[in-house]
Order: sequence, then structure tokens, then C-alpha cells
Amino acid sequence: RKEVEQDPGPFNVPEGATVAFNCTYSNSASQSFFWYRQDCRKEPKLLMSVYSSGNEDGRFTAQLNRASQYISLLIRDSKLSDSATYLCVVNIPYNQGGKLIFGQGTELSVKP
Amino acid sequence: DAGITQSPRHKVTETGTPVTLRCHQTENHRYMYWYRQDPGHGLRLIHYSYGVKDTDKGEVSDGYSVSRSKTEDFLLTLESATSSQTSVYFCAISVRGVSYEQYFGPGTRLTVT
Repeated sequence: RKEVEQDPGPFNVPEGATVAFNCTYSNSASQSFFWYRQDCRKEPKLLMSVYSSGNEDGRFTAQLNRASQYISLLIRDSKLSDSATYLCVVNIPYNQGGKLIFGQGTELSVKP
Repeated sequence: DAGITQSPRHKVTETGTPVTLRCHQTENHRYMYWYRQDPGHGLRLIHYSYGVKDTDKGEVSDGYSVSRSKTEDFLLTLESATSSQTSVYFCAISVRGVSYEQYFGPGTRLTVT
């Protein structure tokens, strides 16, 4: 089982749609979770950290389910500018090596 | 803006030649990382550093070495480039430590012919 798994997509949605991405992780000891956004041929950029209680930033909502070991990202009212690849990122605890594991990403394409 | 620059931004080199990529940061962060990104693999950690002269291997370190003689610079060297090292290389820093959010430089596209 991969350490972090994402549906690669692509997700093709119209402007204004709501879209949700899921990500599963294998290490039950992971404590830090993030979503990054990566535009084509650019560096990954931190979109949001994911907290236990779930958190919202404008049109973006992140949720964490520790029991099922998955993280979700919900984008409401999609914009053309949301087209990108979204990376799910999970930490490996320090006592197990201490690093971040990046999923391969989910591609989103928002169409007019 | 995390103040990270990478040089060169693009490079084409021949198999067997040594190549050094530079990552420079302006904010004296302790932790620095080198990743490579390839289709189908996502971002994979090559080496990382937690201070001057303190470095450690990541999951794909074979064929790569690093040096950090100053806080602001983290160098990645391909001792003898191979075609399998054709990739996009990203440098990153973290403010709080190895298990926390990282911020990336713009990347270097390396082609080994």
C-alpha cells in the first residue's frame, strides 16, 4: 500500500461546481497533514494545513478523518484559476525518520 | 515568499559529467531539502539538511551528494550524471522542522543526454 494515495484524475468540472478530493494515508502515527497546489511546470505551493477539527479558508474546506486515515479537500464555486494539481501531504513522525510524504496529486481542470 | 532561489533554472548536460545545483535562501532557515519530481512518482526526497554541515539521506539519494557550508546555501551534486537523473529538482525549506509545512523554490529542469 502506498504511503499516500490520491485519485490522479483528471477531474473536469464546470465553473461554479463543487469538487472534492480524497486522500488516504497508511501511517496511523502521522500527525501533520497538508494540501498543496501545483500549477503546470511550477513549484508546489502550500494551500492549507489540515487540522483535526477541520478547517476552512474561503472556498476551500479541509477535513481529517483519523479513524479511516483519510483527508479531504472540498472546493466550492470552482474558478478557472483553480485548475491545477492538488497534492496531499502527510508527515512521517520524527521517531520513524521524520519527513513529509507527497501524494502524486489530483489534477483539476475547471472549464468555462 | 520564502526567499528561495535555485540556479541554474534549466540545464542540459551529457551523461557522465558532474553537475551541481544550487539552492539559496535569504531567511536563515535551519531545514533545507532537495526533491526530484518525475511523472508517476510525485515528489521524492533526495537529501536534506538540518544545519550547517548536518545532512542526511532521503529515499532516492544514490548518485547524489550534498553540501551545506553556509546556512543560506544547499548544494546538490550529481557526481556523474545519468539519463535516469533527468528530472525537475526542487529545493525546499521548512521553518518549524521536518514534520511541518515546507516552502519550495522555483525548480531546476535538468536534462541528461
